[in-house]
Amino acid sequence: RKEVEQDPGPFNVPEGATVAFNCTYSNSASQSFFWYRQDCRKEPKLLMSVYSSGNEDGRFTAQLNRASQYISLLIRDSKLSDSATYLCVVNVGGRTSYDKVIFGPGTSLSVIP
Amino acid sequence: EAQVTQNPRYLITVTGKKLTVTCSQNMNHEYMSWYRQDPGLGLRQIYYSMNVEVTDKGDVPEGYKVSRKEKRNFPLILESPSPNQTSLYFCASSPYFSGYEQYFGPGTRLTVT
Repeated sequence: RKEVEQDPGPFNVPEGATVAFNCTYSNSASQSFFWYRQDCRKEPKLLMSVYSSGNEDGRFTAQLNRASQYISLLIRDSKLSDSATYLCVVNVGGRTSYDKVIFGPGTSLSVIP
Repeated sequence: EAQVTQNPRYLITVTGKKLTVTCSQNMNHEYMSWYRQDPGLGLRQIYYSMNVEVTDKGDVPEGYKVSRKEKRNFPLILESPSPNQTSLYFCASSPYFSGYEQYFGPGTRLTVT
């Protein structure tokens, strides 16, 4: 089993749709969780951090369920500019210990006019 | 402008010819890391550095070397490149470790023939 797994996609949705991405991780010691966005072979950029209490940034909502080792990203009112690959990222380790970061394979989203 | 720079952006080389990809950040970040991205495999960590003179292996370190003599620079060295090192390489930095937002360079597309 891969350490971080994501919905394989691709997701093709019309403008204005709501779309949800799922991510599961296998290491229960994981400490920090993120969603990054990557446009067509460009560098990944942070979309949002994910907290146990859940967090929202405009049209984007992220949730973390530690018990189920599950992370989600919800995009409401999809825009053409949301078309990208979304990477689930999990960090294991801390500042004084070894560092391990695992990127999921990514889920591709295409928003269609 | 806060940024991570990589050079070269594109490189075609032959098997066995030593090469160095440079990475520099101007944000005074302690943590720097190298990744490679291959289709279907996502981003995988090659090496990371928690601070000057402190480096450690990531998941795929074979065939690579790094050094961290100055805080801002973290070059990736391929002593004897092979075709299986053909990939898209990203350098990233973060204030302390990968549990914080990572800022990525624009990427280096390397082809080894």
